[in-house]
Amino acid sequence: GENVEQHPSTLSVQEGDSAVIKCTYSDSASNYFPWYKQELGKRPQLIIDIRSNVGEKKDQRIAVTLNKTAKHFSLHITETQPEDSAVYFCAVFTGGGNKLTFGTGTQLKVEL
Amino acid sequence: DAGITQSPRHKVTETGTPVTLRCHQTENHRYMYWYRQDPGHGLRLIHYSYGVKDTDKGEVSDGYSVSRSKTEDFLLTLESATSSQTSVYFCATGQPNEKLFFGSGTQLSVL
Repeated sequence: GENVEQHPSTLSVQEGDSAVIKCTYSDSASNYFPWYKQELGKRPQLIIDIRSNVGEKKDQRIAVTLNKTAKHFSLHITETQPEDSAVYFCAVFTGGGNKLTFGTGTQLKVEL
Repeated sequence: DAGITQSPRHKVTETGTPVTLRCHQTENHRYMYWYRQDPGHGLRLIHYSYGVKDTDKGEVSDGYSVSRSKTEDFLLTLESATSSQTSVYFCATGQPNEKLFFGSGTQLSVL
């Protein structure tokens, strides 16, 4: 099946610094790559996504970059704030777009 | 979130008993998914459905069965619960290669 690797598993940054989370995947046919944020005790929620026809997408302080040739994509958060503290999951649609496979998650902690 | 309701929200049961979790959606999404979430493993797909009576296995389907008799409802059944099935279960709905919407989750404890 699809293999989605996510690094790092934990990330601690100072408020105002940038955070980068990376994911690699194996299915070269995949063409949709979402990122989900999950706060403690809550459901995962989409924060940004990218399709294979673009290399970068930005939404205020967050951005996602995609390298289809190398089969990896990254989440970038700039000017981090305490409310950014959460678990972040990358994901890849596989099986012809039917199944969403998640990475194992990154616990981001933004320290004051 | 997008009209997705999971029930029950919490359940404690004993090893060997059957358990059924329900996911109900009001968005008329064709696809529905069941995931389990465990520390260190992220979200792992159990089963999914691509239409009424159409289902397929995910990566951790052993010990689980599903049914979808109506577009709105997707049931997950543990025929004989085991302690290894203690987890948080999330239902999600959506369309292929599009945003998925998640329910609030069900915390299941098997003692």
